[in-house]
This record gives sequence, structure tokens and C-alpha cells, in this order.
Amino acid sequence: EPEVTQTPSHQVTQMGQEVILRCVPISNHLYFYWYRQILGQKVEFLVSFYNNEISEKSEIFDDQFSVERPDGSNFTLKIRSTKLEDSAMYFCASNILRGRSTNEKLFFGSGTQLSVL
Amino acid sequence: ELKVEQNPLFLSMQEGKNYTIYCNYSTTSDRLYWYRQDPGKSLESLFVLLSNGAVKQEGRLMASLDTKARLSTLHITAAVHDLSATYFCAVAHNAGNMLTFGGGTRLMVKP
Repeated sequence: EPEVTQTPSHQVTQMGQEVILRCVPISNHLYFYWYRQILGQKVEFLVSFYNNEISEKSEIFDDQFSVERPDGSNFTLKIRSTKLEDSAMYFCASNILRGRSTNEKLFFGSGTQLSVL
Repeated sequence: ELKVEQNPLFLSMQEGKNYTIYCNYSTTSDRLYWYRQDPGKSLESLFVLLSNGAVKQEGRLMASLDTKARLSTLHITAAVHDLSATYFCAVAHNAGNMLTFGGGTRLMVKP
């Protein structure tokens, strides 16, 4: 079965450094997302992306965050100047259709564990 | 603001027993999802529920949706150890694809 792949699986960085988390969505999917999960807490939406632009974003997704689809396959999340509270598991997800009133599943990658020291 | 609450947060049960996890949400929505997460792993899609009265079953798990009550249930029948995981419900915002997740129910099935 096709899957969303994320790299790296673990990323350790110093506070204030920039990090880029990478994702390869399923090839025929059109909608891409980033979610995060702080250890032991609920999964939180960050941003959705369609047609080379952000379609929705949450309050968490402030100016320190950006997303990009630099080529036909990769989807990246950049954190410009990491903070301790950015430590979390970051999940990329994709689906083929805008999910409204369809039974289209949202497929999640295996995540990147980001640790900010 | 959409709020999603699950209960219980933690559930320890014996193999062979039945139990139900509840998911309440605060505003109308046209989609509700159930996911399973094993420790340190990603989220595995279990069910997508779209309409009032929708019921879906897969093995020992059955999910239902009551949009009027803004309630979904995940029923576990004759639990087995392999079902041990954290289960999340997630509700879609009507305006788009953003999902709001519940806090999760950590299920432990003891032999």
C-alpha cells in the first residue's frame, strides 16, 4: 500500500537553530498537511497545503513556521528559530481529495521526532 | 471553537470483555474519524463516519455516529491483547480539512 514517508525519523537541534522536516506524500495525492504531537498530548493541526499554497493554518503555525513544495514530490516544514516548546513528533499527512463529505482517509507518515535542546 | 473530548482517557480491560469509548464534540461537523496509534508509531486510520446513524465495523471494533447528539462511539467486542493502543477520534471542521483530535484513550488489554 502506498505510504507517506518522512525524514529524518529523529532530529536533535539546538534552540535557535533552523530545522527542515521532509515528507514525501503519496504520489497522486493533492492535499498535504502537518500535524504535531507533544509527548503524551493530543495531536494538533498545524497547516494544510493545496495547489502550492497554504489553505488553512492554526494559531500554532506562526511566522517561525513555513511550508514548501520545492519539487513534485517533497513537502517540507521549516522552523526558522526553534524553541524548546517546539519539541514534538511532527506528522505529515496527505489525501487525494478535499475530505468534505467523502470517505477519503487521511494518510499519516511515521513522524519526525524533533528534540530541541 | 471546535472542542473534542474523549472518555475514558485510560482503559484497562481483560481479554474477552466488551467496552465503549466515547467521543463528544462541540460544533456540527460532516466527518468524524477514528485512529489507532501504537507507542512511538504513526496514526492508523480505522474509520471515517460521514452521516447521522453511520455505523462501521472492522473485526472487533465498531464505530457509530450520532450527529444530533454530537457523539461517536467506538465499541470493542471481546477484546484481545493486540487491540492495546491509543485510540483517537478526530472531527473535521466544516469549512475544510483541518481535524481537531480528542485527547485519546489509552487502551490496555490484559490477558
